[in-house]
Amino acid sequence: AQSVTQLDSQVPVFEEAPVELRCNYSSSVSVYLFWYVQYPNQGLQLLLKYLSGSTLVKGINGFEAEFNKSQTSFHLRKPSVHISDTAEYFCAVTRIYNQGGKLIFGQGTELSVKP
Amino acid sequence: KAGVTQTPRYLIKTRGQQVTLSCSPISGHRSVSWYQQTPGQGLQFLFEYFSETQRNKGNFPGRFSGRQFSNSRSEMNVSTLELGDSALYLCASSLSDTSYNEQFFGPGTRLTVL
Repeated sequence: AQSVTQLDSQVPVFEEAPVELRCNYSSSVSVYLFWYVQYPNQGLQLLLKYLSGSTLVKGINGFEAEFNKSQTSFHLRKPSVHISDTAEYFCAVTRIYNQGGKLIFGQGTELSVKP
Repeated sequence: KAGVTQTPRYLIKTRGQQVTLSCSPISGHRSVSWYQQTPGQGLQFLFEYFSETQRNKGNFPGRFSGRQFSNSRSEMNVSTLELGDSALYLCASSLSDTSYNEQFFGPGTRLTVL
């Protein structure tokens, strides 16, 4: 079975400051990793995903994440945040070679960007 | 290209009733997944359909069921509603049933059970 732990439930940060949202996962098999963002009253939008290859993945809106297999982590970073980045962020995994796209999500991290 | 649409967006029901939620995937997408989102349990996988067949099922009671039609549209049904079924129900579609495909989420249906 797989599980995902997002280490911070809330992260307050000032505008233009850097931010890191932490994600650790547990799995006995290889997984694909994803970060999704959810704005108020909306569905989830994919920020980036790691399937294979380079461990540094770049996504939309200036976000990037680094896959660390030894530490089973997939932390999300942005060098300079904007007010518009205020949202909830979810880390998710799914088994590779899986028939079907069952995603296992973390509990979410609420990013609050203050002026 | 139109995104994933879910209807209705908001629903209020009372305990014991049943409810049907609808999801129209992105044109050309054949896989539809359903998730339940609550403050306490977070995002939990309900089930996934591909070409009208249920491929995966989460750990939910049999009161939760779904189906997919030949045009890939999907419905989920919850019978004998309980207060704890109050949640945001999200539908996601993807091109195929391989796990690396991106899932595109709809805005959700907010169900309130009184």
